[in-house]
Amino acid sequence: DAGVIQSPRHEVTEMGQEVTLRCKPISGHDYLFWYRQTMMRGLELLIYFNNNVPIDDSGMPEDRFSAKMPNASFSTLKIQPSEPRDSAVYFCASRNAGIANQPQHFGDGTRLSIL
Amino acid sequence: GNSVTQMEGPVTLSEEAFLTINCTYTATGYPSLFWYVQYPGEGLQLLLKATKADDKGSNKGFEATYRKETTSFHLEKGSVQVSDSAVYFCALGARNRDDKIIFGKGTRLHILP
Repeated sequence: DAGVIQSPRHEVTEMGQEVTLRCKPISGHDYLFWYRQTMMRGLELLIYFNNNVPIDDSGMPEDRFSAKMPNASFSTLKIQPSEPRDSAVYFCASRNAGIANQPQHFGDGTRLSIL
Repeated sequence: GNSVTQMEGPVTLSEEAFLTINCTYTATGYPSLFWYVQYPGEGLQLLLKATKADDKGSNKGFEATYRKETTSFHLEKGSVQVSDSAVYFCALGARNRDDKIIFGKGTRLHILP
């Protein structure tokens, strides 16, 4: 089975540019999560969706960050304008909540560097 | 609210040593418990899980037992290898299907040859 697919794997861009990260969850999973990981702050949950609807976006750091899930097989995380402190690895994860005690499945992440 | 506390790292051991990474949790009800592993440059992968008290999860030589009386889920391995060097995350998932999984801060493990 295909796992969670993220693109791009690496992104390097200059401060002020718009950045879009993409995620394809595992087919049939109804929850999707976006995380950010840095050495200083560890793993942070940014936002998560259930059936394409945002449930909790309290972890989104600023208005510069936005996330959408237009359908069950695709989500984006956008940063506009980007800043050097946004440099991190961004992970997407999905889960099938219809089955009890299911774990989250993670993608390989997007390593983002803002110069 | 629900929370997970795991021992801070880094933990450095020699190959073939015995490993324990402590994890305790605070939760209402009867959560499911997980250990995830993150190898360098990769995402988190599920290592093992336990869904009720006294359950033992195991995988790749790692084990963890769900101890309700001590609210713990310590990760153990009898003989570590260099390839086990990674970051290990303890995590708690509630039985309510709408709850998100809560992760500990992670413990970095270095195994020396």
